Amino acid sequence: DQQVKQNSPSLSVQEGRISILNCDYTNSMFDYFLWYKKYPAEGPTFLISISSIKDKNEDGRFTVFLNKSAKHLSLHIVPSQPGDSAVYFCAASAGAGGTSYGKLTFGQGTILTVHP
Amino acid sequence: NAGVMQNPRHLVRRRGQEARLRCSPMKGHSHVYWYRQLPEEGLKFMVYLQKENIIDESGMPKERFSAEFPKEGPSILRIQQVVRGDSAAYFCASSPLRGNIQYFGAGTRLSVL
Repeated sequence: DQQVKQNSPSLSVQEGRISILNCDYTNSMFDYFLWYKKYPAEGPTFLISISSIKDKNEDGRFTVFLNKSAKHLSLHIVPSQPGDSAVYFCAASAGAGGTSYGKLTFGQGTILTVHP
Repeated sequence: NAGVMQNPRHLVRRRGQEARLRCSPMKGHSHVYWYRQLPEEGLKFMVYLQKENIIDESGMPKERFSAEFPKEGPSILRIQQVVRGDSAAYFCASSPLRGNIQYFGAGTRLSVL
């Protein structure tokens, strides 16, 4: 039962262009969403998050968009840089009313490669 | 302000031995989470602890696995009688509040021979 899905295993982008990573979820109790970046042999690093009361959150080159009706979120990276090459995970958390409050449910990850 | 510290980074065990993984949360964080990542997969939740209490262990296998977060000292994930299928990367995360951003350690890579 994959409640958070990242359907693109990999994405290749030219330096300077936009990277768009997508994530879909099925559990309507999820109300907080996060993106993490992970390099090999390291732990995930938090990038950006969004609450379900918003539809957009921006932090520098990173913007996350949330479409609640479609149960879809996306991460935009503009402009993309070679150092952005990593695995990107989206994760979701349910609110205080749910039994799964606190834990994160992760997607399978998307490998982003940014070519110079 | 040190991040989440996990040790050891690499652990090799033979089948049937015990594995003990340690996690020290970030300073000021009292919520600790353990996740497991199998090869080619995403991270899967195992257990959520707050000081001296297990809050949610719904992702923990029923046998051989246990976790604790004592009043003093690091959180420990213990795997008894390890099998080859336990080989994975185990990540610990911490947060200052429940439902907040979780910050991850570098992980412990367990290899079972």
